Amino acid sequence: DQQVKQNSPSLSVQEGRISILNCDYTNSMFDYFLWYKKYPAEGPTFLISISSIKDKNEDGRFTVFLNKSAKHLSLHIVPSQPGDSAVYFCAAGSNDYKLSFGAGTTVTVRA
Amino acid sequence: DTGVSQDPRHKITKRGQNVTFRCDPISEHNRLYWYRQTLGQGPEFLTYFQNEAQLEKSRLLSDRFSAERPKGSFSTLEIQRTEQGDSAMYLCASSTTSGTSYEQYFGPGTRLTVT
Repeated sequence: DQQVKQNSPSLSVQEGRISILNCDYTNSMFDYFLWYKKYPAEGPTFLISISSIKDKNEDGRFTVFLNKSAKHLSLHIVPSQPGDSAVYFCAAGSNDYKLSFGAGTTVTVRA
Repeated sequence: DTGVSQDPRHKITKRGQNVTFRCDPISEHNRLYWYRQTLGQGPEFLTYFQNEAQLEKSRLLSDRFSAERPKGSFSTLEIQRTEQGDSAMYLCASSTTSGTSYEQYFGPGTRLTVT
């Protein structure tokens, strides 16, 4: 069963604007969450993470928000740049260390 | 280069043949993971090692799949009697148990095509 869901397969945003990517999960045992970025023919690259004891984590242009009661997290990219065009995966884990991934959202940043 | 490396990057094989992939993790990382990714999906967990011990295997990992990490450094993933459904990207990742870090760092993957 899909424990992590990214319901938007694609997102198109203008350069300089905000990109908001959403992710929902079902397993309340998850205690950390991560976002990865993937270019074609490369492996996923770690972007940013958040522990379940926090509701926000910021790193430069990337901010992740966690709403535990709604089992929802989001990634904000501000401002969006052409190099941000990629597939973004939401992932979640617990003390068994394996990660469960969503199906990904393809972001296209328009000039 | 201190990242995760995988070899080969691409493998084309005929149905029924055996294939073996190699992963070299980041040198100070003691955990190593294998994932499989098919088109339009996110990576799916297959198995993981802490040092040389294989601690968990997904039910996705049929009896035709075997993984080893003999000296707690590099790992191999072997698929015997390949089937067309095995065609996928096989990703390796590594992580450390030190501190509170739980990020996994991925290699570039091995793309397997079974004809």
